[in-house]
Amino acid sequence: AQKVTQAQTEISVVEKEDVTLDCVYETRDTTYYLFWYKQPPSGELVFLIRRNSFDEQNEISGRYSWNFQKSTSSFNFTITASQVVDSAVYFCAPEEDDKIIFGKGTRLHILP
Amino acid sequence: DVKVTQSSRYLVKRTGEKVFLECVQDMDHENMFWYRQDPGLGLRLIYFSYDVKMKEKGDIPEGYSVSREKKERFSLILESASTNQTSMYLCASNELTGYTFGSGTRLTVV
Repeated sequence: AQKVTQAQTEISVVEKEDVTLDCVYETRDTTYYLFWYKQPPSGELVFLIRRNSFDEQNEISGRYSWNFQKSTSSFNFTITASQVVDSAVYFCAPEEDDKIIFGKGTRLHILP
Repeated sequence: DVKVTQSSRYLVKRTGEKVFLECVQDMDHENMFWYRQDPGLGLRLIYFSYDVKMKEKGDIPEGYSVSREKKERFSLILESASTNQTSMYLCASNELTGYTFGSGTRLTVV
């Protein structure tokens, strides 16, 4: 069965610092998708990225970047120059058999 | 944009009541899902459906059932609500491009 480990339960950083959220997953599939979602205090889940396991290139979107290492089954997420609005719970979620399984999430506090 | 609508944002029910949580999506997606979210546990999959009248158990189906009579609607049913089912319930639908979630129903069972 799938398993997702987000080892950091809670992180606090000062605004403008960089922060990396770790994600390690297990899957029996050779082809799969990986997702990251953000859940701000308002509660809705906001889609951040979907990555195919074939594509091992790192992805950058503004202040966000993702490092996918298939060999170590990791899909880490970095926020550069963090802002208070980045405060949220972040979920890593691999997809297998057309359903996504969520990690327990990392609660990120950005301190002004 | 795909819209996933959950009929109630907040719901308070009594122990033993039969509870229906409704979810509707407007983009003709085949796949729909129900998750519950609890502090420290993340989102856990209750049931999912790949088509009308089809349903599959997720990781924590006990105490729940589902109904998918129409493609756009996926209902979660608590046959006899219990206090340990107090939680945030999230519905989602997906196709090739990804998943879209509703805003959630916070259910309190008293």
